[in-house]
Amino acid sequence: GENVEQHPSTLSVQEGDSAVIKCTYSDSASNYFPWYKQELGKGPQLIIDIRSNVGEKKDQRIAVTLNKTAKHFSLHITETQPEDSAVYFCAASKGGSYIPTFGRGTSLIVHP
Amino acid sequence: GAVVSQHPSRVICKSGTSVKIECRSLDFQATTMFWYRQFPKQSLMLMATSNEGSKATYEQGVEKDKFLINHASLTLSTLTVTSAHPEDSSFYICSAKAGTGLETQYFGPGTRLLVL
Repeated sequence: GENVEQHPSTLSVQEGDSAVIKCTYSDSASNYFPWYKQELGKGPQLIIDIRSNVGEKKDQRIAVTLNKTAKHFSLHITETQPEDSAVYFCAASKGGSYIPTFGRGTSLIVHP
Repeated sequence: GAVVSQHPSRVICKSGTSVKIECRSLDFQATTMFWYRQFPKQSLMLMATSNEGSKATYEQGVEKDKFLINHASLTLSTLTVTSAHPEDSSFYICSAKAGTGLETQYFGPGTRLLVL
C-alpha cells in the first residue's frame, strides 16, 4: 500500500520567514495530494490541494509543488504569521475507493 | 468549502456506558464517510470507512462490535463506542466526501471523549 513520509516533524520559524514542509509517497499511481491544517482541539481543515496533472498551485501565501518523477510534494508558506502555527498534514490518494494516506504531521510554530 | 459537523464536541462518560457521536455533512451529500481516532500529538488513525446504505469497512485491529458505525443517510453517520473504557478516551474525527473519485475529503471538528 501507499506510504507517506513527512518532514520535519517540528518546524520553528520567526514571523515573516518562509516555511517549507516536505512529503514523499511510494505509490506512483497516487494522483491527488491535499494538505490540511489542524489547530489545537479542532479537526483538520483543507488549505490547498494539487492533482497530478499540474506541478504547482498557489493560493495567496500558500503554495504546493509536486514532482511526480521523484514522488515528492511540498507545502510552502511565505510571510508566516503567528496564526499559521498549527499541525500540518499531507496526504496522498489515487481516488476511486482508495483511502487517502496521511503523513505523520508537522508542528509549525511561528514566533512573533 | 463543504461543512461537516460533529456532535457532541466533548463528552465525559462513566466506564461501561455507551456513547454515540454524530457526523453530518451540512451542504453536500456524503456517499463516503470516514472515522478517525487521534491520540495527542499523533497523526490520524483511520478506524473505518462507511458508504451510505452499506456496512462499514473496518481497519485491521479495530473492533467492529465495540465501535458501531451506521451510515443510514447521505448526510449522517454515527459512531457508537459501546461499553467504553478509559483506554477509549481519545479525539474522534469524522470526515466526508461526495463520491468515490478524487473528491476532496472534508473533516468535522472532532469529538473529545473522556471515559472515567
